[in-house]
Amino acid sequence: DAGITQSPRHKVTETGTPVTLRCHQTENHRYMYWYRQDPGHGLRLIHYSYGVKDTDKGEVSDGYSVSRSKTEDFLLTLESATSSQTSVYFCAISESYRPTDTQYFGPGTRLTVL
Amino acid sequence: AQTVTQSQPEMSVQEAETVTLSCTYDTSESDYYLFWYKQPPSRQMILVIRQEAYKQQNATENRFSVNFQKAAKSFSLKISDSQLGDAAMYFCASVGGSEKLVFGKGTKLTVNP
Repeated sequence: DAGITQSPRHKVTETGTPVTLRCHQTENHRYMYWYRQDPGHGLRLIHYSYGVKDTDKGEVSDGYSVSRSKTEDFLLTLESATSSQTSVYFCAISESYRPTDTQYFGPGTRLTVL
Repeated sequence: AQTVTQSQPEMSVQEAETVTLSCTYDTSESDYYLFWYKQPPSRQMILVIRQEAYKQQNATENRFSVNFQKAAKSFSLKISDSQLGDAAMYFCASVGGSEKLVFGKGTKLTVNP
């Protein structure tokens, strides 16, 4: 299994509070991704990173920001959490952007915004 | 833009039987890849099988195989000799060119003993 951890694994927070989720990898892969998973939607890309300090938006980026100061860590921040951001969040990694490079996923973080 | 459609929200199969999960996709890319991911109750996303679009031969991984029909843009997953541990959500996904990985909405597979 790819060395990917996510923290926290579960979090309950209140509307309007800031939340940061962390993804940590030990594979030294260049690309990292944040997805959210909601019933009836599958997984949707929020943001991705193609290197330290290099990030870009995905399909559902509104309300989220990311940072990557080290190769191994990719942070997802909800500046002011809303109930619509209640979801399961997955981090993924890949060696490059090439389709030949499979993405490997972390265990997920369940976030509940009350 | 790529799209991936899984038309079966739920499927069930008897243990030891064979089941086929359907997936159709649409892409303008000539070079693309297709995947099936499994998500058991633990929520971990696990890669099951991968198919390169330029390969005519269908991919196979032990009890898992695909039926890739490029002209019809169809990519179904066949699970043979189903086991209780195969119970999970299964997601079809596609990636190609500069596009990022796109997932279908998933099919929940139940395996009955």
